[in-house]
Amino acid sequence: KAGVTQTPRYLIKTRGQQVTLSCSPISGHRSVSWYQQTPGQGLQFLFEYFSETQRNKGNFPGRFSGRQFSNSRSEMNVSTLELGDSALYLCASSGGGADTQYFGPGTRLTVL
Amino acid sequence: GEDVEQSLFLSVREGDSSVINCTYTDSSSTYLYWYKQEPGAGLQLLTYIFSNMDMKQDQRLTVLLNKKDKHLSLRIADTQTGDSAIYFCAARANYGQNFVFGPGTRLSVLP
Repeated sequence: KAGVTQTPRYLIKTRGQQVTLSCSPISGHRSVSWYQQTPGQGLQFLFEYFSETQRNKGNFPGRFSGRQFSNSRSEMNVSTLELGDSALYLCASSGGGADTQYFGPGTRLTVL
Repeated sequence: GEDVEQSLFLSVREGDSSVINCTYTDSSSTYLYWYKQEPGAGLQLLTYIFSNMDMKQDQRLTVLLNKKDKHLSLRIADTQTGDSAIYFCAARANYGQNFVFGPGTRLSVLP
């Protein structure tokens, strides 16, 4: 089975712009979660989508949003980018008996 | 809510055993996981354990769970330089609830 894929792998944006990141889960997985990873804050949970509905949400401002499509692919959008949004954004899909999360390689976002 | 803690650094000699420790606060955590992250990469699932288990062994990896103390450990036998990475502990209360990750332990393996 193919793993979790994320596109693009690297992105450079300037303050005030918006960005959309994409995640394709493992075939058959219906849950997709998004995380932000920074050296200072570690791994922080953004939100989780299951069957096109947001099931869980972390403590991030409304500038961070997401959605999931009927094929379980998910997108994450960040509007009005700030310097502090520079981070590695990780997507994870889960499914199966143990409902274990499997991570993609991440998208490295740099905001200038 | 759940909080997961880990020591931040561990240094061992090649060939020795490494023990990475983790504590969690929510006694209802049902699923506990260990992930490995190498530089520039995503997180790789190493192993997981259910709360009704005390121990799980998988090749060089041994996971011990002490539910009373809410303590989880990962032992890596015969540690190699390729094991140098950041190791994350994660807890999940129930199916459908989000994962909570610890800050990660950076393991350095010295030749």
